[in-house]
Amino acid sequence: AQTVTQSQPEMSVQEAETVTLSCTYDTSESDYYLFWYKQPPSRQMILVIRQEAYKQQNATENRFSVNFQKAAKSFSLKISDSQLGDAAMYFCAYKWDDMRFGAGTRLTVKP
Amino acid sequence: GAVVSQHPSWVICKSGTSVKIECRSLDFQATTMFWYRQFPKQSLMLMATSNEGSKATYEQGVEKDKFLINHASLTLSTLTVTSAHPEDSSFYICSASPGDEKLFFGSGTQLSVL
Repeated sequence: AQTVTQSQPEMSVQEAETVTLSCTYDTSESDYYLFWYKQPPSRQMILVIRQEAYKQQNATENRFSVNFQKAAKSFSLKISDSQLGDAAMYFCAYKWDDMRFGAGTRLTVKP
Repeated sequence: GAVVSQHPSWVICKSGTSVKIECRSLDFQATTMFWYRQFPKQSLMLMATSNEGSKATYEQGVEKDKFLINHASLTLSTLTVTSAHPEDSSFYICSASPGDEKLFFGSGTQLSVL
């Protein structure tokens, strides 16, 4: 069974600084998708970034980028120039047929 | 972007009653819909996967007779919590897929059973 592990329950970053959230996963599949979702207090799931496993190039979306290491089954999220609005729960997710989530990392941004 | 509408946003019911939650894809056809449950400060746990016109596939430990899922059309799936009890109180989130890797989420339903 596929599992997703986020080993950082909480992270904190100073406004305008950079923070990296970790995620590892376990799968026997070779073609799958990885995601990072943000869940603010409203609890609406917001897609931050998506990575296709067959693509070696790391995905980037403005201030958000990933470091995808397929052999190591690692998928970390880097947030650059952190803003107060980035504060939220961040979930790493794996999708092959269905989508499975990690336990989440609560990100605090300090002004 | 694609929109998934989930209703109601919150519901309070008495123990022993049933509650129905609706999930609609507004601007695309959802071949597959997923139902998740989220307890406070925890992750989303997949409850079941439903495909239009067929029976839902439930995750291990999820009672299919308690959580009835109907996916009658390509735009609507419903989750009915039957004979609800306080331990069923939780945040329920639906998501819908147009058939590719994308997944669009509803805004969730907070169920409180008294």
